[in-house]
Amino acid sequence: GDSVTQMEGPVTLSEEAFLTINCTYTATGYPSLFWYVQYPGEGLQLLLKATKADDKGSNKGFEATYRKETTSFHLEKGSVQVSDSAVYFCALSVVDSSYKLIFGSGTRLLVRP
Amino acid sequence: DTEVTQTPKHLVMGMTNKKSLKCEQHMGHRAMYWYKQKAKKPPELMFVYSYEKLSINESVPSRFSPECPNSSLLNLHLHALQPEDSALYLCASSPRTDNYGYTFGSGTRLTVV
Repeated sequence: GDSVTQMEGPVTLSEEAFLTINCTYTATGYPSLFWYVQYPGEGLQLLLKATKADDKGSNKGFEATYRKETTSFHLEKGSVQVSDSAVYFCALSVVDSSYKLIFGSGTRLLVRP
Repeated sequence: DTEVTQTPKHLVMGMTNKKSLKCEQHMGHRAMYWYKQKAKKPPELMFVYSYEKLSINESVPSRFSPECPNSSLLNLHLHALQPEDSALYLCASSPRTDNYGYTFGSGTRLTVV
């Protein structure tokens, strides 16, 4: 079945450090890929998305490239801020009758001043 | 309006109570969803409504009863819940005809006592 695997957290970084959160997927169809962010006590916000191979999604300094050959969608940011501290979820959906979102387990990011 | 609005934000209920969660969107989305999120876990799909009709029930116990009165509203009626049902309940919506990801509400944090 379809699934998403994320790196274990928490990831602890100092402010202005480079961030990578790994995400790989397994899908029977041709998925769209997403990164969602959840700040403490809040719902999920769509951070970025990519709908086909080699697409790069970007938002607020975060980037991720849809790599079909490696079935990956790693999240990167060149210089993190304390305000980026949150839980990041990688997710996929396959166009079928359900439009179900399948989430990875989430990676908690803690950025220290 | 690009938001999904959920009310109430917090709810404490006894095991014999009946309560309802409400979700509203005015983006013209024709698919709406209920997700349940336990602490430090990814969201889990409960129900999917497509064009106001229930299309997916992920084997959710009957003490949870969804309702979609119109294309903008989604309710979740709760009755005889258990303490283990305490969680963050997230509503989401998406355009039915594409695969560009969901818009989530900020959730209702439910505590069953």
